[in-house]
Amino acid sequence: DAKTTQPNSMESNEEEPVHLPCNHSTISGTDYIHWYRQLPSQGPEYVIHGLTSNVNNRMASLAIAEDRKSSTLILHRATLRDAAVYYCILGQSGAGSYQLTFGKGTKLSVIP
Amino acid sequence: NAGVTQTPKFRVLKTGQSMTLLCAQDMNHEYMYWYRQDPGMGLRLIHYSVGEGTTAKGEVPDGYNVSRLKKQNFLLGLESAAPSQTSVYFCASSYFGRGGDTQYFGPGTRLTVL
Repeated sequence: DAKTTQPNSMESNEEEPVHLPCNHSTISGTDYIHWYRQLPSQGPEYVIHGLTSNVNNRMASLAIAEDRKSSTLILHRATLRDAAVYYCILGQSGAGSYQLTFGKGTKLSVIP
Repeated sequence: NAGVTQTPKFRVLKTGQSMTLLCAQDMNHEYMYWYRQDPGMGLRLIHYSVGEGTTAKGEVPDGYNVSRLKKQNFLLGLESAAPSQTSVYFCASSYFGRGGDTQYFGPGTRLTVL
């Protein structure tokens, strides 16, 4: 079972910041927090990941709570191309391979 | 650098027919994965491989077989297709199997079983 909780859907206006929340209250000390997104009719695409500290890259920022039980993906200026399903996933190591357990994600709609 | 490619993109099968889906990656990744995605759902892991010649079961392995004869290729086989296997199939690869690694996904194969 997926061990993260996300809202089913969110809306944002174009060119405004978007904060996508994720709860992962059962996270263990070795779990990484990953975010992927899936545009319509495409495969998932890596967005960002982190362990304990906040992370930034050219796509987004990841803010991780001090207790690591929640995180927020921040898109600084939403564009129409950011409309997608965003998945918050815990990267767990087990049985020789880390497995990504996908939930239903958050469907982000961007309003022009 | 093509990344992860999948063949075919679309396929329609009749119940009981067999087929093989091919995944290829050109990033020299050790780990490869097969997922399925049903409408409105997240992805579920079918099988994965931690290196050439190895395979392991994921969350939903029944009805599927896999082979990794070459490092760059990961094949998913359906021996006797069933309507419940109608889905979109995604292949992915990664450098190594630790929690901080990134998986790179292919564009998917849309399979319909009548």
